[in-house]
Amino acid sequence: SAVISQKPSRDICQRGTSLTIQCQVDSQVTMMFWYRQQPGQSLTLIATANQGSEATYESGFVIDKFPISRPNLTFSTLTVSNMSPEDSSIYLCSAWAVTTGELFFGEGSRLTVL
Amino acid sequence: SQQGEEDPQALSIQEGENATMNCSYKTSINNLQWYRQNSGRGLVHLILIRSNEREKHSGRLRVTLDTSKKSSSLLITASRAADTASYFCATNEETSGSRLTFGEGTQLTVNP
Repeated sequence: SAVISQKPSRDICQRGTSLTIQCQVDSQVTMMFWYRQQPGQSLTLIATANQGSEATYESGFVIDKFPISRPNLTFSTLTVSNMSPEDSSIYLCSAWAVTTGELFFGEGSRLTVL
Repeated sequence: SQQGEEDPQALSIQEGENATMNCSYKTSINNLQWYRQNSGRGLVHLILIRSNEREKHSGRLRVTLDTSKKSSSLLITASRAADTASYFCATNEETSGSRLTFGEGTQLTVNP
């Protein structure tokens, strides 16, 4: 299984600012994903982070709001731009294990926007 | 429509009892995965069951899959207070590559 580290683990942000979340995997993985979990709810896929190319966004999520980088096979960042209180959520990075098909998650980054 | 709907939404049992959670889905899948999430934490992968499998075990966990009914169940036997968590099923649909779609989850409370 892959070990996934995310930082920050939590942050309190002001409306209108942007925050970048980092995700580091301890091994090379082909697929990385970013999910959002709003309070008391399930996980919603934001985008697939593609190595060396633009991320693939799900319906309802756009690059201007959630720019994603993936410079190599072990690292990705998600930026939440121009934040509003509605962006208060847990943001989770995940990596797909090709050999087993399992999806592993980091501990998440809990953002509170005031 | 929601893929991976779970029931019950909440379940409260006594320590030592068994807990059963169900998940239904709508499309053809490659596999179905169960996760646990303790409050405020990330997701822990529990079991993956493939579409050609009917049952898998891991310790006190037993997962079944019925593709004809498009449903799965997670059974936790001899529950412990430490099993208190939210449990999610997630489906890997045939048409979605490696992406997973999560259900709404079941909040399990095991009372000591």
